[in-house]
Parts: sequence; C-alpha cells; structure tokens
Amino acid sequence: ILNVEQSPQSLHVQEGDSTNFTCSFPSSNFYALHWYRWETAKSPEALFVMTLNGDEKKKGRISATLNTKEGYSYLYIKGSQPEDSATYLCAPYAGNNRKLIWGLGTSLAVNP
Amino acid sequence: EAGVTQFPSHSVIEKGQTVTLRCDPISGHDNLYWYRRVMGKEIKFLLHFVKESKQDESGMPNNRFLAERTGGTYSTLKVQPAELEDSGVYFCASSQGPGRKQYFGPGTRLTVT
Repeated sequence: ILNVEQSPQSLHVQEGDSTNFTCSFPSSNFYALHWYRWETAKSPEALFVMTLNGDEKKKGRISATLNTKEGYSYLYIKGSQPEDSATYLCAPYAGNNRKLIWGLGTSLAVNP
Repeated sequence: EAGVTQFPSHSVIEKGQTVTLRCDPISGHDNLYWYRRVMGKEIKFLLHFVKESKQDESGMPNNRFLAERTGGTYSTLKVQPAELEDSGVYFCASSQGPGRKQYFGPGTRLTVT
C-alpha cells in the first residue's frame, strides 16, 4: 500500500505571493508523478506528468520538480493570483498494478 | 474535441435501490478509469478498463458494484443494492495510454439515504 503525503494541508496567501507545496511518496515501483489542479465545483485538471528523476516542468507561473530517489515533488506558484485558488493534488502512478494513488491535496486560497 | 461526460450529475436514491452511472470518455481513449471520492478523504481508484477489458478492478469495494464497457466506448457503473456508505462523488477519467495524463469528467454525486 502506497502512502502519499501532501503538505501543507491548506494555505492562505495574498495575491502576488509565491508559494510551494510538497508531495512525498514511496519511491519503490514508481513510474510517473501526476499533479492535478481541482477547482471547486469542477473536475480535476492535469497540470504535469513527470517521469524522470530531476524532471522540471513549467506551465505559466506554475512549475514542478521531481526527485524519484528520495520520493518527493515540489509544486511552485510564482506571484499567486486569486484564480489559482484550488486544491492541488499529486498522484504517483505506481505499484504493481500501476495506478494513480492520490494524496489528499493542498488547498490554496489566494486573497486579492 | 468533446471532453469526458458523465450522467447523471446528481442522484439521490434510497438504501437498497439500484443506480447506474454512465461515462463517455474522450473519443479514441482506450483507457477509462472510475474513481470515487468521499468528502474529506482522498480520491480512491475503483477500476481501469483498456478498451472493453477490465485491466484492474482491485479498487471495487464489493460485489454490489458492477462496471461494464461493452464495445470499448462508454462505460457504466451499477450499484445494486446501494448502501449508505456508497455516497460520494464518482469520477470517470480517460487517457490515451496507461500512465498518461488523465482527463476527468464532471463527476456524479451519489447520495444514498
């Protein structure tokens, strides 16, 4: 059984602040790490899929890094905007059956 | 390109009744997944289809749940008979390949009273 830990559980920042979240996961049987953004009343939307140790991905003001050897990934948001308010979920694609194992997410609220 | 669609968006049923949820994946996506999220808890994997075959159904809670994907297009998830603990949001997602980015539907909120 894989345990995915995300921290912090929730975060409140001011518009313009930069922030980062952590996702930690067991490094065994690892194939890929997914990050999703989940806005209230909508469905999860994929941000990144990363596979290689040292991978870095960027999409606008959002970027992510991956360390598969130690089992963690960071998500960074530069200059947070109110529209960034959402829950950010990470999910390693892992295990003998190779499926997404979801964390509880980090809930971000950006105050204007 | 149409996204993943799910029907119904909401369903309220009584304990012991039957409910069937439907998912239409993105056209051409062979991989289809069902997930469930109970409030306050993490998203839980239920099962994975590749075309019409069940690749992995290890997350199905018990034999009250039956998923089908006849013809490898849309999928249905039937709960019979429903129990109170089955309440939650059922998401369907599809992808071009295993491990690839998954596209989620809007979910079906199931309430069992």
